[in-house]
Amino acid sequence: AQTVTQSQPEMSVQEAETVTLSCTYDTSESDYYLFWYKQPPSRQMILVIRQEAYKQQNATENRFSVNFQKAAKSFSLKISDSQLGDAAMYFCAYRGAQGGSEKLVFGKGTKLTVNP
Amino acid sequence: DAGVIQSPRHEVTEMGQEVTLRCKPISGHNSLFWYRQTMMRGLELLIYFNNNVPIDDSGMPEDRFSAKMPNASFSTLKIQPSEPRDSAVYFCASSPRTSGSRDEQFFGPGTRLTVL
Repeated sequence: AQTVTQSQPEMSVQEAETVTLSCTYDTSESDYYLFWYKQPPSRQMILVIRQEAYKQQNATENRFSVNFQKAAKSFSLKISDSQLGDAAMYFCAYRGAQGGSEKLVFGKGTKLTVNP
Repeated sequence: DAGVIQSPRHEVTEMGQEVTLRCKPISGHNSLFWYRQTMMRGLELLIYFNNNVPIDDSGMPEDRFSAKMPNASFSTLKIQPSEPRDSAVYFCASSPRTSGSRDEQFFGPGTRLTVL
């Protein structure tokens, strides 16, 4: 079974600085998708960024980018120019691309605090 | 679009009572997911449907839990009888499930269930 590990239960960053959240996963599949979701205090789950495993180029979405290392099974999220609104729980998630399964497997999350 | 709609937003009940959580997916989406979020176990997939048919119910904890999707615009998750350990936030999500298989899952606001 696939597993997703987020080793940092909590992180903090100063406003306007850069922070990197770590995520590792375990799978025997060769093709899959990886996601970062944000959950602010409102509880709403919001997709931040996604990466297809077959793509070597790291995904970017404005201030958010990933460092995808397939061989190491690592998928970190970098937030540049951090803003107060970035404060939230961040969840890394995995979804296999074989067999048609749509199941998302989540890590336990990292709580990000942004200090003014 | 109204997004995924869940009701109720909060539910407080007593042990032994039946609880029914409701979900209306985004119109046109043909995959629907039920997740449970707890501090101890994080976010877990309970069950998901594709075209109203249950595809993977391996996450349903026990026979006390049941889920139905009688039509494309409505699903229920029922717990009978409820127990204090069922206290959690229950999320419903939907996805368009196009051939590209990279579709985002759109989450509802969740139902916070407290079983006393």
